[in-house]
Amino acid sequence: DVKVTQSSRYLVKRTGEKVFLECVQDMDHENMFWYRQDPGLGLRLIYFSYDVKMKEKGDIPEGYSVSREKKERFSLILESASTNQTSMYLCASLGNEKLFFGSGTQLSVL
Amino acid sequence: GENVEQHPSTLSVQEGDSAVIKCTYSDSASNYFPWYKQELGKRPQLIIDIRSNVGEKKDQRIAVTLNKTAKHFSLHITETQPEDSAVYFCAATANMDSNYQLIWGAGTKLIIKP
Repeated sequence: DVKVTQSSRYLVKRTGEKVFLECVQDMDHENMFWYRQDPGLGLRLIYFSYDVKMKEKGDIPEGYSVSREKKERFSLILESASTNQTSMYLCASLGNEKLFFGSGTQLSVL
Repeated sequence: GENVEQHPSTLSVQEGDSAVIKCTYSDSASNYFPWYKQELGKRPQLIIDIRSNVGEKKDQRIAVTLNKTAKHFSLHITETQPEDSAVYFCAATANMDSNYQLIWGAGTKLIIKP
């Protein structure tokens, strides 16, 4: 069974803090994704990566950056957290034309 | 760019009845249409998908239909059960063979009434 693990289930941070969200997959998948999920807006793509050290902007990259130093790990970075970044963050990897999601990180920025 | 609209946003049906969720897409080049189910507090999971060379696909109580001319596709759930209660997301992409950039619908909350 594919495992996509996100390091934190719940996170509370203060405005202006630098925030790291970590995601690890164990199936040697090349493509990995970071989504943001807000009620009524569905899933919005922040960034994706198709190989180590390769990244592409999604639909809402502003205020975020990513890092993919190793194939299994894809990190989302909020350089200076703001209250409008309070949301559920979902990581996913792609295998056999199917997206495998992590369990999500509910981030609250106060 | 591609846009996917999903309706309704909330659907309440009696247990045992059928449920239908509809999505429309704008990019005629879209060729792959998956449906994901997200139960409360859990991660989204693929339940069924369809490619543009097929008009209908079934898997037990769920089916998906695709109308390329009208650019819409629908999820059909028959004989609904309590475990069908969840949020359902449709998606579309024209890039399945490259970077797999799915465009998502906003989601439908399906409530099964006992």
